[in-house]
Amino acid sequence: DAGVIQSPRHEVTEMGQEVTLRCKPISGHDYLFWYRQTMMRGLELLIYFNNNVPIDDSGMPEDRFSAKMPNASFSTLKIQPSEPRDSAVYFCASRPTGATGELFFGEGSRLTVL
Amino acid sequence: AQSVTQLGSHVSVSEGALVLLRCNYSSSVPPYLFWYVQYPNQGLQLLLKYTSAATLVKGINGFEAEFKKSETSFHLTKPSAHMSDAAEYFCAVREDSNYQLIWGAGTKLIIKP
Repeated sequence: DAGVIQSPRHEVTEMGQEVTLRCKPISGHDYLFWYRQTMMRGLELLIYFNNNVPIDDSGMPEDRFSAKMPNASFSTLKIQPSEPRDSAVYFCASRPTGATGELFFGEGSRLTVL
Repeated sequence: AQSVTQLGSHVSVSEGALVLLRCNYSSSVPPYLFWYVQYPNQGLQLLLKYTSAATLVKGINGFEAEFKKSETSFHLTKPSAHMSDAAEYFCAVREDSNYQLIWGAGTKLIIKP
């Protein structure tokens, strides 16, 4: 079975540009999570969805960040405008309802904002 | 609220030596506990999990962890380290109210030849 698929794997952009990160969760998983990982702050939960509905976005750093899940097989995390401090690895993860809580992670999208 | 503490941001062991990575948790209810591993430039993958069955849990790649309620610990061990074990290891506890995972800060395991 395919795992969680993220794209792009690497993105280099200039400050002020819009960045869109994409995620396809594992089929049948109805929870989807976006995490950010940096050396300074470690692993941070940004937002999570259940059945395509955002449940908790309290981890989204500011209004420049937005996330959508238009259907069960696709989600986006958008940063507009991007800033150098947004440079990080962004992970998408998914899990099914009623499981032990175990998350399945994608390979991550490494974002560098110059 | 649950929390997780991993002692030591970096642990260095010689190849062939015992690996011990420490994790302590706080929880008011019987916890679900997890160890994840992150190899360089990869996502996190599950090593093992405790779900209130056997207190000694075996995982992939020869790792195991023991749940000790009296010590609120879930330390990860491997009898003999291999160079390929070099990675970052994360301990997590499942929050009971919403099933979210609360993460430790991670421990980087360094293997010396």
